[in-house]
Amino acid sequence: AQTVTQSQPEMSVQEAETVTLSCTYDTSESNYYLFWYKQPPSRQMILVIRQEAYKQQNATENRFSVNFQKAAKSFSLKISDSQLGDTAMYFCAFMKLFTGANSKLTFGKGITLSVRP
Amino acid sequence: DAGVTQSPTHLIKTRGQQVTLRCSPKSGHDTVSWYQQALGQGPQFIFQYYEEEERQRGNFPDRFSGHQFPNYSSELNVNALLLGDSALYLCASSSRTGSQYFGPGTRLTVL
Repeated sequence: AQTVTQSQPEMSVQEAETVTLSCTYDTSESNYYLFWYKQPPSRQMILVIRQEAYKQQNATENRFSVNFQKAAKSFSLKISDSQLGDTAMYFCAFMKLFTGANSKLTFGKGITLSVRP
Repeated sequence: DAGVTQSPTHLIKTRGQQVTLRCSPKSGHDTVSWYQQALGQGPQFIFQYYEEEERQRGNFPDRFSGHQFPNYSSELNVNALLLGDSALYLCASSSRTGSQYFGPGTRLTVL
């Protein structure tokens, strides 16, 4: 079974600054995806970024980037130029890959990020 | 292009009743997954439907059942409701090998 650990329950950052959210996971699988999802107070879960385990290059999406350390089973999210709209709960998630099939997401407990004006 | 939609938005039921939640996937998606999210927690996987069959199931009792229709939409049914079933129920759709995209959720309150 896979586990995802987010050990920081809350973080705060000043607007326009950079913040890094941590996530570790445990798995014996070699083929998997890792995700960061954002859930604002409006509760809609929004996909932020995806990392394929077979790719060595870290994924980036505009102001969001990850630091994927496969051997250490670490997957952190860096948010640059933080904006007030980034205030949300952030979840790290793991998905095992099957050939030609989707799979369930295993989530961490989440971290609440507050961006201060 | 409409995203994932869910209905109803909110629902209040009493213990012992039954409830049906509905989900329409994003255009082009054929797989629907359901998750239960307790307040302040990460979502927990309930089950996943593809080709109108349940393909995977999480650690939820048989009171939780589902269905997928030929148009890929899906229903989640919960029988004999318990107070502990109060939660946000999230539906996610995906293609067979793609990322999962979530709907806005249904907030279920059991009194």
